[in-house]
Amino acid sequence: AQSVTQLGSHVSVSEGALVLLRCNYSSSVPPYLFWYVQYPNQGLQLLLKYTTGATLVKGINGFEAEFKKSETSFHLTKPSAHMSDAAEYFCAVGRGSTLGRLYFGRGTQLTVWP
Amino acid sequence: GAGVSQSPSNKVTEKGKDVELRCDPISGHTALYWYRQSLGQGLEFLIYFQGNSAPDKSGLPSDRFSAERTGGSVSTLTIQRTQQEDSAVYLCASSSTSGSKETQYFGPGTRLLVL
Repeated sequence: AQSVTQLGSHVSVSEGALVLLRCNYSSSVPPYLFWYVQYPNQGLQLLLKYTTGATLVKGINGFEAEFKKSETSFHLTKPSAHMSDAAEYFCAVGRGSTLGRLYFGRGTQLTVWP
Repeated sequence: GAGVSQSPSNKVTEKGKDVELRCDPISGHTALYWYRQSLGQGLEFLIYFQGNSAPDKSGLPSDRFSAERTGGSVSTLTIQRTQQEDSAVYLCASSSTSGSKETQYFGPGTRLLVL
């Protein structure tokens, strides 16, 4: 079975500070891993994904995430937060197969203080 | 269109009524997904269509929920005899091919409120 745990439903940082959003997963097969961002009243937008290859993945808006198999983690980071980063962030895992559904975490609401 | 579109954007209905939610995927995308986003439940998978294959209905919460995809494009999610617990945002997504490594592109959602 697949599951995703996002530690911290709310994270607050100051503008310019490091952003760290945590995601741990369980998967019985090698996973595909995703981070999506959702702005108010909008759908989800892909930030980055890991499928195979390099474990450090760079995405849009300066975000990156590292797949650590030994820790079953895929934490999202950004060196310097910007006000426009305030949104809800979802980690998701897909099975390493042809099946398409994603399993999502509960989401982390990021607040950025000026 | 440039992205996934959904209609209506908002729907208010009375308990016991039927509702239909529509999704227009990105042109040429063969895979289409429905998810439900509700407070306290996060994002739940509902149903997945891939080409002409039988859909994966494993996420539908009850037999009041059904979905179809006509002509391999537009999809309609129908909820019969709506209940207050059906209130949520219903999100549709599409991807160019099947497979969970493919990027899913999401629509803006339909916000359903059952009174």
